[in-house]
Amino acid sequence: QKEVEQNSGPLSVPEGAIASLNCTYSDRGSQSFFWYRQYSGKSPELIMFIYSNGDKEDGRFTAQLNKASQYVSLLIRDSQPSDSATYLCAVNFGGGFQGAQKLVFGQGTRLTINP
Amino acid sequence: KAGVTQTPRYLIKTRGQQVTLSCSPISGHRSVSWYQQTPGQGLQFLFEYFSETQRNKGNFPGRFSGRQFSNSRSEMNVSTLELGDSALYLCASSPGPVTDTQYFGPGTRLTVL
Repeated sequence: QKEVEQNSGPLSVPEGAIASLNCTYSDRGSQSFFWYRQYSGKSPELIMFIYSNGDKEDGRFTAQLNKASQYVSLLIRDSQPSDSATYLCAVNFGGGFQGAQKLVFGQGTRLTINP
Repeated sequence: KAGVTQTPRYLIKTRGQQVTLSCSPISGHRSVSWYQQTPGQGLQFLFEYFSETQRNKGNFPGRFSGRQFSNSRSEMNVSTLELGDSALYLCASSPGPVTDTQYFGPGTRLTVL
């Protein structure tokens, strides 16, 4: 069974520090990787996607992908209290028809930024 | 551009009944996926549709079904509801056919009594 694993936390980080979130996945053939943020009582919000090995930066967020190690991570620089949320890692395990999509999610990491 | 919309937002049903949930994707998006979210199991994939065709299906019983219309709007149906079907049902759309960045709607909160 194709799986995505995350440390469920909770992860507590002081304001202004770097928060580091990690995720591993089971299918070596996966090509698409996503990070979603979910506030309590809300739906997931896409914050980063990455397809190639290496780093991808968007503002205070950096996604890192290492396909050989089947590992994807999210760094949040200059953490703010508003970053407190559950962060979900997702991998597209789609198969069958070309381009078919099947996002498999990790259990999520609850992040708390302490002022 | 308007986001993904889902109706209804809240629903209360009793065991044995059936329910239909609706999803309108972002304008121009042709792929729609459905997920179930519960505290115990997290976010689980139900199915994905593109151009009215189901391209992928998760590990849910046949009581869960869906369809997509020519305007990309999608519905999912759950028949013979069980208590364990109480969950947040989320719809996500992406441009497709291979562009897979999915954007979620607000969800439908289903409670089965």
